[in-house]
Amino acid sequence: SAVISQKPSRDICQRGTSLTIQCQVDSQVTMMFWYRQQPGQSLTLIATANQGSEATYESGFVIDKFPISRPNLTFSTLTVSNMSPEDSSIYLCSVEEGAPAGETQYFGPGTRLLVL
Amino acid sequence: QKEVEQNSGPLSVPEGAIASLNCTYSDRVSQSFFWYRQYSGKSPELIMSIYSNGDKEDGRFTAQLNKASQYVSLLIRDSQPSDSATYLCAVNDDYKLSFGAGTTVTVRA
Repeated sequence: SAVISQKPSRDICQRGTSLTIQCQVDSQVTMMFWYRQQPGQSLTLIATANQGSEATYESGFVIDKFPISRPNLTFSTLTVSNMSPEDSSIYLCSVEEGAPAGETQYFGPGTRLLVL
Repeated sequence: QKEVEQNSGPLSVPEGAIASLNCTYSDRVSQSFFWYRQYSGKSPELIMSIYSNGDKEDGRFTAQLNKASQYVSLLIRDSQPSDSATYLCAVNDDYKLSFGAGTTVTVRA
């Protein structure tokens, strides 16, 4: 499977600021996904990022709060804007590697964000 | 997102026993099913995928799928302390995955 890295691995931020999280893959992938995992919770999909098109956001997530870039087939960024303590979570990127039935996703190591 | 429900935990099993994890899903058209393992402080790791009715075995893990009952399970045989983790069931939802809340397993030595 693809090797996925994320930067930063963790950060502590002040409310009202923004943080950009990077996701790098060692091979070209069509679909990349961004998830949030709040403490003690399961994964919630924020958006799907395809190269060359606007990200597709899930219900409850908006571009102004979570702008995403996908400049090429190996890289994506997620920005958490105007942060509040409720944004304290683990942010995970994942990539899809296809089998015929598809949708097999592999996850990066995550970015642990604490907002004070 | 489609509903994916897992049996509530935590599940505590003695070392060497079988741990049984269950998952039900709401959408009959789902075709792909996955089990992820997540250690505390780590990201989810894919351990099994299953697409057809029946059993699929991989080492000490067996996934079972019954599409008619909209049910997928994971059995961990000869449970080891290293199996202590949260197990997440995921079901395809068009091009995305819907995740269950997870079941935390603790293997007692």
